[in-house]
Amino acid sequence: EAGVTQFPSHSVIEKGQTVTLRCDPISGHDNLYWYRRVMGKEIKFLLHFVKESKQDESGMPNNRFLAERTGGTYSTLKVQPAELEDSGVYFCASSQLQGKSYNEQFFGPGTRLTVL
Amino acid sequence: RKEVEQDPGPFNVPEGATVAFNCTYSNSASQSFFWYRQDCRKEPKLLMSVYSSGNEDGRFTAQLNRASQYISLLIRDSKLSDSATYLCVVNAGGFKTIFGAGTRLFVKA
Repeated sequence: EAGVTQFPSHSVIEKGQTVTLRCDPISGHDNLYWYRRVMGKEIKFLLHFVKESKQDESGMPNNRFLAERTGGTYSTLKVQPAELEDSGVYFCASSQLQGKSYNEQFFGPGTRLTVL
Repeated sequence: RKEVEQDPGPFNVPEGATVAFNCTYSNSASQSFFWYRQDCRKEPKLLMSVYSSGNEDGRFTAQLNRASQYISLLIRDSKLSDSATYLCVVNAGGFKTIFGAGTRLFVKA
């Protein structure tokens, strides 16, 4: 079974440009999460989808970030316009939906974003 | 104060040694606790969940102390392949998870 996949693996853009990251969760996983790790810091929660609905986007840094999950399958995270401090590794994770209990999250390999 | 705090290390231990990591969390309402392992430039992977009664998985033992709000991970008979960063992860309710910054472990021959 395929794991969580993310595209691209690396992205180098200039400040002010737009970048869109994609995540394909494990098939059948209704929960999808986005996280970010800035160099030297801990992994931080950005937001959580259940199917196509945003359940918690309290971790989104500001309105330059937009996440979508149309159709409840893959998700995109768009940064527009990108700033230097957006550089980091963006992880996506997915888990099964099982009541309100925590289920193991399976992480994708991450997208390493560098904003110059 | 960070919501989840870990000693960043690094811990440098010889093969066969026993090593222990601690993690403290600030939210007393936290409900679920985990240890994840992250290899260099890879994604985090679940190592084990942590239960109030303590749990063991082979060479790994996890403990939770709710009164003191800390979690521990004990690795016995360390292997070279145990070298990684160990992330303490706390679920404070719902599906939001809080990660510690991680503790780096180097196991040397």
